[in-house]
Amino acid sequence: DIQMTQSPSSLSASVGDRVTITCRTSQYISNYLDWYQQQPGKAPNLLIFAASSLQSGVPSRFSGSGSGTDFTLTISSLQPEDFATYYCQQSYSTPWTFGQGTKVEIK
Amino acid sequence: QVQLVQSGAGVKKPGASVKVSCKASGYSFTGYDINWVRQAPGQGLEWMGWMSPNSGNTDYAQKFQGRVTLTRNSSISTAYMELSSLRSEDTAVYYCARWAVVSDALDIWGQGTMVTVSS
Repeated sequence: DIQMTQSPSSLSASVGDRVTITCRTSQYISNYLDWYQQQPGKAPNLLIFAASSLQSGVPSRFSGSGSGTDFTLTISSLQPEDFATYYCQQSYSTPWTFGQGTKVEIK
Repeated sequence: QVQLVQSGAGVKKPGASVKVSCKASGYSFTGYDINWVRQAPGQGLEWMGWMSPNSGNTDYAQKFQGRVTLTRNSSISTAYMELSSLRSEDTAVYYCARWAVVSDALDIWGQGTMVTVSS
């Protein structure tokens, strides 16, 4: 199974801050990496697919980058509705695996 | 609109089975694989398996092999996840999610079904 290491596990930030979350995989996955946002008590919501493609309807302040084994999710200017938990997921081979999550909290 | 609507929460005793349904609407049910992902309280996301509503083919995570069964009734656009031999560690929210081939991602999720295993 492909192991996912996401960091940090949590962070505190202010509205307007630039936030970066990283995800590292245990083996090469090309660009088969997706990012999800999960609000408390809600289902995950797809933000980014194929490492850097923005899902329809997702604000442009979200962006993704990376290839191979190292990936990044960036929120360019944090908004109040962005305080949530973020997960990366590899879609290279089953079993699909997720990072442990990054909780973004209000500073 | 495109959506997946899941059955309601339930409480089961250890050793019992649970069957969760996931009804699709707003798109061609047989055109997209359905995945199941669970989330224990306060924990992360764990993939359980997928099923092709078109062919009935399945792929299960090794952890759940022998305990999970994914099925569908295409006439009513509904997928099912049945988990047997329940134990307390199976207490979780269970999600169905649509796999979009164009993006290789889970683009539509059900609202989740809380299953509590308790004696």
